[in-house]
Amino acid sequence: DTQMTQFPSTLSASIGDRVTITCRASQSIKSWLTWYQQKPGKAPKLLIYKASSLESGVPSRFSGSGSGTEFTLTINSLQPDDFATYYCQQYNSYSPWMFGQGTKVDIK
Amino acid sequence: QVQLQQSGPGLVKPSQTLSLTCVISGDSVSSNSAAWTWIRQSPSRGLEWLGRTYYRSKWYNEYSVSVRSRITISPDTSKNQFSLQLNSVTPEDSAVYYCAREVDDSGYDLWGRGTLVTVSS
Repeated sequence: DTQMTQFPSTLSASIGDRVTITCRASQSIKSWLTWYQQKPGKAPKLLIYKASSLESGVPSRFSGSGSGTEFTLTINSLQPDDFATYYCQQYNSYSPWMFGQGTKVDIK
Repeated sequence: QVQLQQSGPGLVKPSQTLSLTCVISGDSVSSNSAAWTWIRQSPSRGLEWLGRTYYRSKWYNEYSVSVRSRITISPDTSKNQFSLQLNSVTPEDSAVYYCAREVDDSGYDLWGRGTLVTVSS
């Protein structure tokens, strides 16, 4: 199985900050990585697919980068609506398609 | 408007079968570009991919090894829906269960609202 390690687990930031979340795969997953945002009581929302492609309707302050084993999600100029938990997921090897443990972004 | 509407019981007894249904509006379970997936989330296990069904000239199913011996995901073309059955449940199977759509290997762009399932006697 390809394991996903996501860090930090918690991140405190202020409005306007630039925030970076990292996801590391135990083996190469090429660019088969997605990023999701989840708010309490809601289903996850797709932000980024294929490591760096922005999902339609997602603000351009969100961006993804990386390939192989190291990936990052960057939020430029953090907005109030961005306080949430963020997850990465690999879908290179299908059994199972592992999610990261999540990064909670809260208000400093 | 494309939607996924989940239904099913919120309480299941240990050793019994968990059954959930996801009704698709605005798309087709037989789409040649979509895959229909079940994912669950619990505090102890986080987000866990369970399996999917999809049609590419014929039907395919893929399951997580962690539940492979107990899971069935089935499409129902007459009702445009797909279902999850998980047998021999234990309290470890208590979670919020989500159905989701994946299109063209581009992530899960559409989700159901989630069903909290508790396994308890």
